[in-house]
Amino acid sequence: KAGVTQTPRYLIKTRGQQVTLSCSPISGHRSVSWYQQTPGQGLQFLFEYFSETQRNKGNFPGRFSGRQFSNSRSEMNVSTLELGDSALYLCASSSSGGPWETQYFGPGTRLLVL
Amino acid sequence: DAKTTQPPSMDCAEGRAANLPCNHSTISGNEYVYWYRQIHSQGPQYIIHGLKNNETNEMASLIITEDRKSSTLILPHATLRDTAVYYCIVSRINSNSGYALNFGKGTSLLVTP
Repeated sequence: KAGVTQTPRYLIKTRGQQVTLSCSPISGHRSVSWYQQTPGQGLQFLFEYFSETQRNKGNFPGRFSGRQFSNSRSEMNVSTLELGDSALYLCASSSSGGPWETQYFGPGTRLLVL
Repeated sequence: DAKTTQPPSMDCAEGRAANLPCNHSTISGNEYVYWYRQIHSQGPQYIIHGLKNNETNEMASLIITEDRKSSTLILPHATLRDTAVYYCIVSRINSNSGYALNFGKGTSLLVTP
């Protein structure tokens, strides 16, 4: 079974631009979560989608948004990029997001904002 | 969700048991304790989770104190490949609410030859 894939793997943007990151979950998984990882803050939860609905949201500004499609693929968008948005963005999937399940993480998209 | 406190770094000799502590003194009765690890440049990997009983799987053992205010992850025979950042997470999750895990900064474990 193929793992979680994320595209692109690396991205360079300038301040004020917007960016869209993509995540394809493991086949059959319906829960997709997004995380931001920085050296200063560690690994922080952004949001989780299940069956095309945002089910949980972390403490991030409204510039961070996402969506999930009917095939469970998910996209994350960051508008009006700031230097502090430079980070590794990780996507994870699980079957339904229950406590008995393992989350499987993708390799991440490394975003650099100049 | 309850906050956790972990030491920023630990060392362990190869072949010895690695005992990673986690304090979660504000944990609620319906919150689980999760452990993940992240090997450099890879996504986090699930290790184990528990509610109040001790748990063991092929990777590790999880010991939760009776008052549930702290836990210890035990890697019984650490190898060099266990060098990673280990995250202890406490989260209230039910079958309808899904995941909202905040990993924080974790403990950087260095296994030495």
